[in-house]
Amino acid sequence: ILNVEQSPQSLHVQEGDSTNFTCSFPSSNFYALHWYRWETAKSPEALFVMTLNGDEKKKGRISATLNTKEGYSYLYIKGSQPEDSATYLCAFSNNNDMRFGAGTRLTVKP
Amino acid sequence: SAVISQKPSRDICQRGTSLTIQCQVDSQVTMMFWYRQQPGQSLTLIATANQGSEATYESGFVIDKFPISRPNLTFSTLTVSNMSPEDSSIYLCSVGILLANYGYTFGSGTRLTVV
Repeated sequence: ILNVEQSPQSLHVQEGDSTNFTCSFPSSNFYALHWYRWETAKSPEALFVMTLNGDEKKKGRISATLNTKEGYSYLYIKGSQPEDSATYLCAFSNNNDMRFGAGTRLTVKP
Repeated sequence: SAVISQKPSRDICQRGTSLTIQCQVDSQVTMMFWYRQQPGQSLTLIATANQGSEATYESGFVIDKFPISRPNLTFSTLTVSNMSPEDSSIYLCSVGILLANYGYTFGSGTRLTVV
């Protein structure tokens, strides 16, 4: 059973705050860890795919790190903006399967 | 990357009825995936739709409840049959390659409410 856990479930921050949230996943048979951003009424959008322990990826104000040995990934948002409000999903994949967490719902208040 | 058109975007249905969701992809793809997200839950894979063969269903999902068609490499439908309020969810179709170094592409989702 592939259990992917995300925390917190929801998060409210003020514009300009930096924030981060966590994805934990099974550390065995790891292939890749995906992060997606899912805005209401839109398609989930792929942010990052990470495969190597210690990977760090960055896209603008958003970055992610990966620790495959202990089974966790962090997503960081620097200087949050209202347009960052979305649900952030992580997904773990091995050779056979990809499983998603329940997501972290981020709300950025102006 | 592929572009997926999914419809309807939302619907409110009476219990006991069925709803068919359609996904059209702008390029030929081998595998299409159907997911469901119930309120507060993870995005859960329902089935993988392969062109020319029957869909492969995940544990807990059956063909009688969620029949899938895949008539060609660009189109698929998922039907939610004999609906109950527990079927109220967001349904998403997706394309991608499991062992690729890029993410899956998703449709914009169908928000289904069963009353």
